[in-house]
Amino acid sequence: DAGVTQSPTHLIKTRGQQVTLRCSPKSGHDTVSWYQQALGQGPQFIFQYYEEEERQRGNFPDRFSGHQFPNYSSELNVNALWLGDSALYLCASSLSSGYYEQYFGPGTRLTVT
Amino acid sequence: AQTVTQSQPEMSVQEAETVTLSCTYDTSESDYYLFWYKQPPSRQMILVIRQEAYKQQNATENRFSVNFQKAAKSFSLKISDSQLGDAAMYFCAYRTGGSEKLVFGKGTKLTVNP
Repeated sequence: DAGVTQSPTHLIKTRGQQVTLRCSPKSGHDTVSWYQQALGQGPQFIFQYYEEEERQRGNFPDRFSGHQFPNYSSELNVNALWLGDSALYLCASSLSSGYYEQYFGPGTRLTVT
Repeated sequence: AQTVTQSQPEMSVQEAETVTLSCTYDTSESDYYLFWYKQPPSRQMILVIRQEAYKQQNATENRFSVNFQKAAKSFSLKISDSQLGDAAMYFCAYRTGGSEKLVFGKGTKLTVNP
């Protein structure tokens, strides 16, 4: 049973560019959440997708957008990259109904130069 | 706003001994959940233990247990018989019953000395 997978593992971008990160949820999960973890900090919630729609959003600008596909996989897009966007981006999946724990992927390390 | 505070940036313990990591949180909600996550150098966040706020009994998972003091809004993690593999960043996290958004503390780096 595959867990949460994310791609790519690392990437380097230049200020002003756009980036797309990908996440495949754990088998059977239908909800995907994205978190940003700056160096030395705890993860910060970006948003959550369920049934291909954004269900909840944290305090992040509109430069951060996402998408969920019919197979429940998800993408995180960040436009007009800033140096401050350099971070580990974590994807977590869960089941939508009731209380279920979130399972995290290994993350994508984004460096903006 | 809900906040989670971990006051110990770093802790160390000798192998086979016991260590307690501290966490306090601030909320006005009555329905919420608390978690401890472990993040080893591999970066993957792993759930260690969870506690439902409505349960008075402290959660236990093998060598890991919590001391949940609801009135004091305190949620500490005790690791017994520490092992080298326990070395990692430990994050305390909170979630309300009506949301799946996890709010994390800044973490505590645990070192286990042989």
